[in-house]
Amino acid sequence: KQEVTQIPAALSVPEGENLVLNCSFTDSAIYNLQWFRQDPGKGLTSLLLIQSSQREQTSGRLNASLDKSSGRSTLYIAASQPGDSATYLCAVMAGHTQGGSEKLVFGKGMKLTVNP
Amino acid sequence: DAGITQSPRHKVTETGTPVTLRCHQTENHRYMYWYRQDPGHGLRLIHYSYGVKDTDKGEVSDGYSVSRSKTEDFLLTLESATSSQTSVYFCAIRPLSIRSEQYFGPGTRLTVT
Repeated sequence: KQEVTQIPAALSVPEGENLVLNCSFTDSAIYNLQWFRQDPGKGLTSLLLIQSSQREQTSGRLNASLDKSSGRSTLYIAASQPGDSATYLCAVMAGHTQGGSEKLVFGKGMKLTVNP
Repeated sequence: DAGITQSPRHKVTETGTPVTLRCHQTENHRYMYWYRQDPGHGLRLIHYSYGVKDTDKGEVSDGYSVSRSKTEDFLLTLESATSSQTSVYFCAIRPLSIRSEQYFGPGTRLTVT
């Protein structure tokens, strides 16, 4: 059974720091990995998706990497800002099938606080 | 914005009553999902659908049923709500593409008293 872990569960940093958020998964047979952001009381916003054949994806100040063989992904946030404060979730999708049974397995998230 | 709405956004109900949550999408995506989010558990898949009248169970399907009679609507029903079903429920869609990215709705906060 696929398990996804995000450690630590919470992180508080001063503004301007470069951050690395970690995600680990137990089964390397994944189709893709997706990073989400969730603001309090809100839904999930997709930040980056890395397909299993890719090593990294970038969007603005965000860079996500994937190492399938070691079961790890990192989300790098450059020059953090107070507006980056949110919970960040990592999710992996199991191997692709025709029946639509591709399921996302989520980590429990990491709550990030960036202090001005 | 992936064109997903959920209704109601908030609901308080009593134990034993039936409850139906609605997910509506505007872009005719084939794949739709229902998740619940609970402290300490993260998001877990309840049911999913891969087309009209085509649905299947997820990880935590006990006590829930779903229906999809139209492409745009995916309904989640709690036949007899229990306090353990107090949660935030999210609907998601997955466009048909090689990327298989999922997009989430705003959620429904359900409290069962």
